[in-house]
Amino acid sequence: QKEVEQDPGPLSVPEGAIVSLNCTYSNSAFQYFMWYRQYSRKGPELLMYTYSSGNKEDGRFTAQVDKSSKYISLFIRDSQPSDSATYLCAMRVNTDKLIFGTGTRLQVFP
Amino acid sequence: DGGITQSPKYLFRKEGQNVTLSCEQNLNHDAMYWYRQDPGQGLRLIYYSQIVNDFQKGDIAEGYSVSREKKESFPLTVTSAQKNPTAFYLCASSSKGDTEAFFGQGTRLTVV
Repeated sequence: QKEVEQDPGPLSVPEGAIVSLNCTYSNSAFQYFMWYRQYSRKGPELLMYTYSSGNKEDGRFTAQVDKSSKYISLFIRDSQPSDSATYLCAMRVNTDKLIFGTGTRLQVFP
Repeated sequence: DGGITQSPKYLFRKEGQNVTLSCEQNLNHDAMYWYRQDPGQGLRLIYYSQIVNDFQKGDIAEGYSVSREKKESFPLTVTSAQKNPTAFYLCASSSKGDTEAFFGQGTRLTVV
């Protein structure tokens, strides 16, 4: 079993839809959770960072962490075609190595 | 501008050759990482270094080597022992005590 599981998609939604992206994990010691966005042939860029459980909101993006269920989510409101990219979840115990999910490819069509 | 620079962007290698990928950062970050990305497999950690002159193997270190002689530089050598080197290689760095990692734009290596 992989430490971090993520549905690879692709996920195809119309412009304006609410998008939900999810990851599950097995290591209960993970404390730091991140979401990265990666456009085709580019390096990942950090979108959201959350410590421990709870919600964090930044504009159209909301990150949720449920440590009891070992489940994290990224919600995108009012999705735009420019949101079309691969979204990677990542997590770590402390300042140790980052463990990534496989990434979910999102397509937002006009 | 602060950031992470990977070069070259595209690299072609003949079978049996070693090749070195460059990664330089001017963010004054202590930790640096090399990841390999293949379709459907996400990012897999090759090597990482948390301080100068020290580095640790990641999950897929076989066929790769690294050095960390300077804080700002973490080159990766793909040796002829790596049986399937064609992939997208990503370098990242993070500050000591920080948990976010910042990535370069990647090097696409193709074996011809």
